[in-house]
Amino acid sequence: QVVLTQSPSASASLGASVKLTCTLSSGHSSYAIAWHQQQPEKGPRYLMKVNSDGSHNKGDGIPDRFSGSSSGAERYLTISSLQSEDEAEYYCQTWGTGIVVFGGGTRLTVL
Amino acid sequence: QVLLVESGGGVVQPGRSLRLSCAASGFTFSDYAMYWVRQAPGKGLEWVAFISDNGINQYYADSVKGRFTISRDNSKNTQYLQMNSLRPEDTAMYYCARPALVRGIHRQIDYWGQGTLVTVSS
Repeated sequence: QVVLTQSPSASASLGASVKLTCTLSSGHSSYAIAWHQQQPEKGPRYLMKVNSDGSHNKGDGIPDRFSGSSSGAERYLTISSLQSEDEAEYYCQTWGTGIVVFGGGTRLTVL
Repeated sequence: QVLLVESGGGVVQPGRSLRLSCAASGFTFSDYAMYWVRQAPGKGLEWVAFISDNGINQYYADSVKGRFTISRDNSKNTQYLQMNSLRPEDTAMYYCARPALVRGIHRQIDYWGQGTLVTVSS
């Protein structure tokens, strides 16, 4: 079964950019993934789907500051012009027939 | 707009049962498969169960297999999660989630409910 690996934490300064990584396990480098944001004390929100070719499809109302890309088995979420409300947990997710797999999440701190 | 509203959470003793509901609106419910996803306090997201659009196929995480049952009523635009033999480790926020449907294939989760909290404690 596919496993998604994320760094537990990341930090960047207000106004700067940050790139979060989600790594697909061996043999699954062609999989698409989705990124979800979970702000403190809130439910998750879908950000975008990132395909293996680096193309991405954002959810409704997601700002242009959020973008996705890919390289090999890695899928990225880049957030530019960081704002305080971007401080959140970010989860990657993939799927198979009837099942869903989540990464462990990356807690982003905006300094 | 798409709206998913969970209900039915609460405090329950170990070994007892609880049924969660998720009322959907803003889309053609019967066209979509649905998921339940949970999040224990301070932990990450964990997929719990899947039900196909017509309700015929269900899949479960190993942690709940044999104890939880997912179902749906397309006439009421509602899905359910019947949770039996509850354990303290089932304590979590339970989210209803909808996958995107692209060319007839269900893909990534693209909508979430706000969650309903289940606490299993004596």
